[in-house]
Amino acid sequence: DTEVTQTPKHLVMGMTNKKSLKCEQHMGHRAMYWYKQKAKKPPELMFVYSYEKLSINESVPSRFSPECPNSSLLNLHLHALQPEDSALYLCASSQDLSGETQYFGPGTRLLVL
Amino acid sequence: ILNVEQSPQSLHVQEGDSTNFTCSFPSSNFYALHWYRWETAKSPEALFVMTLNGDEKKKGRISATLNTKEGYSYLYIKGSQPEDSATYLCAFVGGTSYGKLTFGQGTILTVHP
Repeated sequence: DTEVTQTPKHLVMGMTNKKSLKCEQHMGHRAMYWYKQKAKKPPELMFVYSYEKLSINESVPSRFSPECPNSSLLNLHLHALQPEDSALYLCASSQDLSGETQYFGPGTRLLVL
Repeated sequence: ILNVEQSPQSLHVQEGDSTNFTCSFPSSNFYALHWYRWETAKSPEALFVMTLNGDEKKKGRISATLNTKEGYSYLYIKGSQPEDSATYLCAFVGGTSYGKLTFGQGTILTVHP
């Protein structure tokens, strides 16, 4: 099973809402990632978790709060977002941080009103 | 800021044509170069991870080469089929950030029947 699942597929939220994106993998991978992809741009790395600890934070605003409750799950908590945060949010996982293949989920399409 | 460039931005070919596109990346501090295939509304799919200068990898009708000294990789598709229509992304991994993929803008391939 090389599947990374993400929920929800689509999310519409207001600027005062709090919501969460969820990502799950059962490949035994110990590294998990959040990427943000704006229209007609490549995915940009936001966060990396390795062995359930935050390894990389690419200077992401604090209104995005990642959480890795266990080795299979990765959450992204959203609070007080801005319309410019509307994007596709992709989750990925890999065996570890050795530069090997990352397996991506289908993404959550987020619209902030 | 790392510069990962892909060309062309888009490509239209007829079924049966062979095609190729280019990814250029920094030649210093190289660790790995990834190729992904991304169909609309699906997850990005890993094609290759290339690490050695002169590496050639093949998967069915798709192959890739790597030149780390001059900082480029080519992706070739032999006998293109309509189902090959997708965005092809390359991603650079530097020698000090193994978890971080820096993506190029992608090449959008459309194969016409």
